[in-house]
Amino acid sequence: AQSVTQPDIHITVSEGASLELRCNYSYGATPYLFWYVQSPGQGLQLLLKYFSGDTLVQGIKGFEAEFKRSQSSFNLRKPSVHWSDAAEYFCAVGAPGGYNKLIFGAGTRLAVHP
Amino acid sequence: EPEVTQTPSHQVTQMGQEVILRCVPISNHLYFYWYRQILGQKVEFLVSFYNNEISEKSEIFDDQFSVERPDGSNFTLKIRSTKLEDSAMYFCASSEWVSGANVLTFGAGSRLTVL
Repeated sequence: AQSVTQPDIHITVSEGASLELRCNYSYGATPYLFWYVQSPGQGLQLLLKYFSGDTLVQGIKGFEAEFKRSQSSFNLRKPSVHWSDAAEYFCAVGAPGGYNKLIFGAGTRLAVHP
Repeated sequence: EPEVTQTPSHQVTQMGQEVILRCVPISNHLYFYWYRQILGQKVEFLVSFYNNEISEKSEIFDDQFSVERPDGSNFTLKIRSTKLEDSAMYFCASSEWVSGANVLTFGAGSRLTVL
């Protein structure tokens, strides 16, 4: 069965510091991979996605993620965090083809210290 | 930028009451979904809808739940007789094909509190 693991429930970083949020997935083949962000009172906003090709994908708000097949990982990174990045981040996996039902990880809540 | 709109943003109801959560998907999207997130837990898939019928539903989506697209713009989730454990944030999503895959756009959610 498909599953997504986000090992870190909470992460706190200082503004300007680099960030890496971890995501591991379990899937029989290469899935479609997504990172969503949820700010308080907001919906889930798509940050970036991986379908195929270049394993380093760029997203909005200066985020990037790298797909590593050997590690079944899709970690999210940002070189310099801004206070406005404080939110909850969800990794999700979807099956290629069809209507793409998503399986979500439990989320990582990011706090940013000034 | 087109968005998925959900109403109400928050609803409080008594156990056993019927609840209807409403969603207006993005106009040119063809696939529609409901997900829910119980406080402190994962976002879970409930149901997907395409071509005026359910294409897949999860174990959570039992006979108490139903979905409908009553007109060309709305997509509703009905809970027939709410239980305490139905308290959650319910997200509607719609999707379009981008580069050979469906990409979901989510609404801001409807928080349901069952007392």
